[in-house]
Amino acid sequence: DSGVTQTPKHLITATGQRVTLRCSPRSGDLSVYWYQQSLDQGLQFLIHYYNGEERAKGNILERFSAQQFPDLHSELNLSSLELGDSALYFCASSPGLREPYEQYFGPGTRLTVT
Amino acid sequence: DAKTTQPPSMDCAEGRAANLPCNHSTISGNEYVYWYRQIHSQGPQYIIHGLKNNETNEMASLIITEDRKSSTLILPHATLRDTAVYYCIALSFTGNQFYFGTGTSLTVIP
Repeated sequence: DSGVTQTPKHLITATGQRVTLRCSPRSGDLSVYWYQQSLDQGLQFLIHYYNGEERAKGNILERFSAQQFPDLHSELNLSSLELGDSALYFCASSPGLREPYEQYFGPGTRLTVT
Repeated sequence: DAKTTQPPSMDCAEGRAANLPCNHSTISGNEYVYWYRQIHSQGPQYIIHGLKNNETNEMASLIITEDRKSSTLILPHATLRDTAVYYCIALSFTGNQFYFGTGTSLTVIP
């Protein structure tokens, strides 16, 4: 158990819909990262938040957005969903910003778009 | 951040040492080498990281060549539970964007 929690574990929705994935980092961790893992793309970095502020963006679509709240939990919002958005979405956390900290990953949310 | 190259798959007999190589020939001086593994569809698990010295922890050892262009992750006594995809990542601590690549699928054989 990494100490990172993600909800829900599974999500099935239809094309065109909007969903919100939630992540609670390990106690004391200020950084939250989101990743997408689909069968044909591997693990792709989406976005990084540190203490409520966006710090880095990776391959995140404009239909996707995220935020980190004052209590440090984070949400990833996916809108206008397409079949290709079906994937595992992982959240990870780490203590800081610039130190060589390891990232601790949650169990993931499996999103299925039908 | 430097790109890393790993063999797509490897086998290892149970109880033997598993040596997983990684090439990072373009690594820069401030980039660390990280290793993670992913079992099935679970979240990736941190194993070890290092800059230029060899490192060891309860899970594995990391051997980095003197020129830092390659490294080897060593699982000293592989078990069936070590079957996973292993990712080698080169990252500067100003980067914080982890690019996992395709990794090495390690199969531990009974």
